Amino acid sequence: AQTVTQSQPEMSVQEAETVTLSCTYDTSENNYYLFWYKQPPSRQMILVIRQEAYKQQNATENRFSVNFQKAAKSFSLKISDSQLGDTAMYFCAFMKPDNYGQNFVFGPGTRLSVLP
Amino acid sequence: DTGVSQDPRHKITKRGQNVTFRCDPISEHNRLYWYRQTLGQGPEFLTYFQNEAQLEKSRLLSDRFSAERPKGSFSTLEIQRTEQGDSAMYLCASSLFIRDYTFGSGTRLTVV
Repeated sequence: AQTVTQSQPEMSVQEAETVTLSCTYDTSENNYYLFWYKQPPSRQMILVIRQEAYKQQNATENRFSVNFQKAAKSFSLKISDSQLGDTAMYFCAFMKPDNYGQNFVFGPGTRLSVLP
Repeated sequence: DTGVSQDPRHKITKRGQNVTFRCDPISEHNRLYWYRQTLGQGPEFLTYFQNEAQLEKSRLLSDRFSAERPKGSFSTLEIQRTEQGDSAMYLCASSLFIRDYTFGSGTRLTVV
């Protein structure tokens, strides 16, 4: 079974600074997807960024980028120019797509606070 | 389409009562998922439908839990004889492809 670990329960960062959230995972699969989701107090799970394991190039989405180290099974999220609206819970998630289903395995989350 | 809708938003029930939650997915999505999220944790997968067929169930889904998706449209999740340990957020999600996987805002259940 796959597991996802986030070793930082809480983090804080000053507005406009850069912060990196850590994630490690365990799997014997070779083909899979990794995700970062954001969950603000509104409770909606919002996709931040997605990485396909077969792609060596790290995914980027505006201020958000990942450092994907497949051999080390590490998938960290870097948030640049942090904004107050980035305050939320951040979940790292693993998905093994197959013909049956596409359900996520989530980590326990990191609570990020952006300070003015 | 306004996304994945879940009803009710909050539910408080007494221990031993039955509760039912509803999820309306994005209309063109054929896949529908239920997750449970306890306080301070990430969501945990409960069950998955492709159209009206329930294709996968987690071991977390005890025999007090039942889910349906009649006609492959909306879905209901029923919990019978609720226990305090059932208190959690119940999230629904739907997808057609991985790239359009969308979560609802959840139903928060409190069992007193």
